[in-house]
Amino acid sequence: GAGVSQSPSNKVTEKGKDVELRCDPISGHTALYWYRQSLGQGLEFLIYFQGNSAPDKSGLPSDRFSAERTGGSVSTLTIQRTQQEDSAVYLCASSLRTRPLVYGYTFGSGTRLTVV
Amino acid sequence: AQSVTQLDSQVPVFEEAPVELRCNYSSSVSVYLFWYVQYPNQGLQLLLKYLSGSTLVESINGFEAEFNKSQTSFHLRKPSVHISDTAEYFCAVSGQNSGGSNYKLTFGKGTLLTVNP
Repeated sequence: GAGVSQSPSNKVTEKGKDVELRCDPISGHTALYWYRQSLGQGLEFLIYFQGNSAPDKSGLPSDRFSAERTGGSVSTLTIQRTQQEDSAVYLCASSLRTRPLVYGYTFGSGTRLTVV
Repeated sequence: AQSVTQLDSQVPVFEEAPVELRCNYSSSVSVYLFWYVQYPNQGLQLLLKYLSGSTLVESINGFEAEFNKSQTSFHLRKPSVHISDTAEYFCAVSGQNSGGSNYKLTFGKGTLLTVNP
């Protein structure tokens, strides 16, 4: 596609339920990131995928969070037993190169998650 | 760990006035510095970046930022703003300390620039 596509754009869920957020990166991009943007906060790194390498999961805030990337393309971020503090905008970004900070990467529009 | 401080959470200005959005970062052996912009209801877009070389970098829409190593700053400036510049601006850094990565960005909390007529 022309850009990074995220779905759904908005998600309201009840506390304790599981949610899945999807990211469809630009075709051919090998690097994929998930970030979280909470109200009044900057962006918080969650996880990084690069090709077939083991992902960097160091930013995941708890074991309720997990992510996978199938076939080196689409990625799914799963939050189990959601809590109110999980409410945030979840952003996905992808990049073509192995040095994404040099060559730049493209953000999606995000999924706004509200836990009630 | 890297940290980024954007001192102003909100900056209101009038159209055609100059503006400076401040950004300071924690020191590192070497850094890459970025400004991203988020227009209302849109995703983040890269505005400009400093990787190496000239300490003054410019964007295509009139913004510029200067890397100041001694002051660990990367302030964003524009001599004359337009209403269309209303957006949230994020400063970000990637540094290479021992054990650091060259792919992970640390973001500031953002500065909301509001340009009034």
